[in-house]
Amino acid sequence: GESVGLHLPTLSVQEGDNSIINCAYSNSASDYFIWYKQESGKGPQFIIDIRSNMDKRQGQRVTVLLNKTVKHLSLQIAATQPGDSAVYFCAPWGSTLGRLYFGRGTQLTVWP
Amino acid sequence: DAGVTQSPTHLIKTRGQQVTLRCSPISGHKSVSWYQQVLGQGPQFIFQYYEKEERGRGNFPDRFSARQFPNYSSELNVNALLLGDSALYLCASSLSMSGGPYEQYFGPGTRLTVT
Repeated sequence: GESVGLHLPTLSVQEGDNSIINCAYSNSASDYFIWYKQESGKGPQFIIDIRSNMDKRQGQRVTVLLNKTVKHLSLQIAATQPGDSAVYFCAPWGSTLGRLYFGRGTQLTVWP
Repeated sequence: DAGVTQSPTHLIKTRGQQVTLRCSPISGHKSVSWYQQVLGQGPQFIFQYYEKEERGRGNFPDRFSARQFPNYSSELNVNALLLGDSALYLCASSLSMSGGPYEQYFGPGTRLTVT
């Protein structure tokens, strides 16, 4: 199986600051690592993924860093906005795993 | 195009009852997966169906069952409901069974409360 944990269950940041959400994983067989955002009352929404053979990937205002040596990845959100307030999950995925494994998630709260 | 739809949005049942949840995938998507999300936790995998066949099962008791229809919609059934079955049940659809994870699109979920 897969054990997914996040370093902090909650994170509060001021609007305009950068946010960093961390995630640790245990299974090295993952092909991808995906970050999902889940707003209250909604299903998880895909944000960005990173292949296991990469160490960095950038999207719009988001950057994923992957450190396979210590089995850790992070999601960085630049210029955090109130609309970024949500629970963020990292979910390893691989053909051998056959399914998404979610951790508990980190609740990001953005205050003005 | 419409996203993944689920019905009903909310449901209240009594212990021991049975419940059926429904999911319609995105048009053209042939794979449907079901997840259970207990309050304060991440989604936990229950089933995956592809081309009307079960292709994966999570660590859930036999009280949980599902099926996929020729139009690729799916139903999740839970028998003999327990209080611990109270959760948000999520459906996710994707084009194929083994496609990249970015293909998984989640519906809004059905909130089941067992009293």
